[in-house]
Amino acid sequence: DAMVIQNPRYQVTQFGKPVTLSCSQTLNHNVMYWYQQKSSQAPKLLFHYYDKDFNNEADTPDNFQSRRPNTSFCFLDIRSPGLGDAAMYLCATSRGPELAVYNEQFFGPGTRLTVL
Amino acid sequence: AQSVTQLGSHVSVSEGALVLLRCNYSSSVPPYLFWYVQYPNQGLQLLLKYTTGATLVKGINGFEAEFKKSETSFHLTKPSAHMSDAAEYFCAVRGMNRDDKIIFGKGTRLHILP
Repeated sequence: DAMVIQNPRYQVTQFGKPVTLSCSQTLNHNVMYWYQQKSSQAPKLLFHYYDKDFNNEADTPDNFQSRRPNTSFCFLDIRSPGLGDAAMYLCATSRGPELAVYNEQFFGPGTRLTVL
Repeated sequence: AQSVTQLGSHVSVSEGALVLLRCNYSSSVPPYLFWYVQYPNQGLQLLLKYTTGATLVKGINGFEAEFKKSETSFHLTKPSAHMSDAAEYFCAVRGMNRDDKIIFGKGTRLHILP
């Protein structure tokens, strides 16, 4: 089945220790998104890639970076995690804005990050 | 610009009772509307969406929603609640422009009482 895969599902890191979260997709979608979701809150968009074009949200901290080496993979790098970065990180994909009728987003299962 | 308001952060219904989760939106252009469900420690799953055409939209798991432009609403309903429906539900809106993003509501946690 075509899907969005996130690894690992649970990640524990130490305060200040860099961490990378991984997302892959078999949907061949143009757009990949990273969201941060804290407990009992709506997902908050951090950034997205339209193909190789990177689009950062204005309020995303510099501590968060992303890489998309190819269509299938996208990574979220947190350079120096703080306690406030503990959250669920959701990866999502969509076909592309120009095909508006298909603009639903397909989400992965998420990676829950714990910062000690 | 678009925005979404979900009325009630927690809703409790008895098993077998009607489920009604409220969503109102604000949009300066004809919106695309979505309902997503999130089970504990999982990602979001699309329940249903409205793009154009029929205003009553049927989704998975017996859910449906009706787009009412005059009321700027997109409430989610299910005739008979099951225990397995207990989850967080997010209403979302998006415009038709290329750079429009999906805007999520704050979510409603649905509790099913035995």
